[in-house]
Amino acid sequence: GAVVSQHPSRVICKSGTSVKIECRSLDFQATTMFWYRQFPKKSLMLMATSNEGSKATYEQGVEKDKFLINHASLTLSTLTVTSAHPEDSSFYICSAREAGGSYGYTFGSGTRLTVV
Amino acid sequence: KQEVTQIPAALSVPEGENLVLNCSFTDSAIYNLQWFRQDPGKGLTSLLLIQSSQREQTSGRLNASLDKSSGRSTLYIAASQPGDSATYLCAAPNDYKLSFGAGTTVTVRA
Repeated sequence: GAVVSQHPSRVICKSGTSVKIECRSLDFQATTMFWYRQFPKKSLMLMATSNEGSKATYEQGVEKDKFLINHASLTLSTLTVTSAHPEDSSFYICSAREAGGSYGYTFGSGTRLTVV
Repeated sequence: KQEVTQIPAALSVPEGENLVLNCSFTDSAIYNLQWFRQDPGKGLTSLLLIQSSQREQTSGRLNASLDKSSGRSTLYIAASQPGDSATYLCAAPNDYKLSFGAGTTVTVRA
C-alpha cells in the first residue's frame, strides 16, 4: 500500500532557530500533500495544503511566513518552522493522497517538535 | 463545510467484547469516508476506506458501514484485544481536504 515517510520523528530546537520537517511519498506520486498540527488530546488541525510546483494554500489563522511549505517534487514536501518559539511546540503530521488512486489519504508518522 | 462528530469520546471495555464506534457527518455528498487509528505519539494508520458506492468494508475483525442518507458511519471491532487500545478517528472529505472527528479513545482491559 501507499507509504508516507516523515522525518525527523522528534526534534528539539532552541527558540529563534528554524526547523525543517520532510514528508515523502515512497511508492506513489502525490501532487497534493497536507500538513496538520495536533495539540495534546485534540484532533488534527489542517494547517496548509501543499501543491507540487506552486504555492501552498494556508488555512485561516495559519501564519504562512512562520510555516514555510515547499513542494518541489511529486514525492517530497517540506515544512519549515521559522524563528521557532515555545508555543510552536506541537505534533506535526503530513499526509498525501495518491493521484488517480482510491483517493484514500495516507499519513506520515508525525514529528514531535519541542522548542526550548 | 463538512463537520464530523464522533461518539462516544472514550470507551473502556473488557477484552473479548465487541466495540461499536459511531461517526456522523453533516454533508452527505461525500465520495468516501475513512477510518484511522492513532496510537499515542504516533501518526495515523488507515484502517478502512469506504467508497460512496459501498455500504460497508471489512478487514479482519474490523467492519465499517456507511449510510450516506443519514450521514452516519459505524466502525465495529469484533472480539476486542488489549492491542486494540488506541484513538480511532473518522474522516470525511471536505472538498479535497479531510475533516476529522475528535476521535474515540478506546481502552481494552485485559
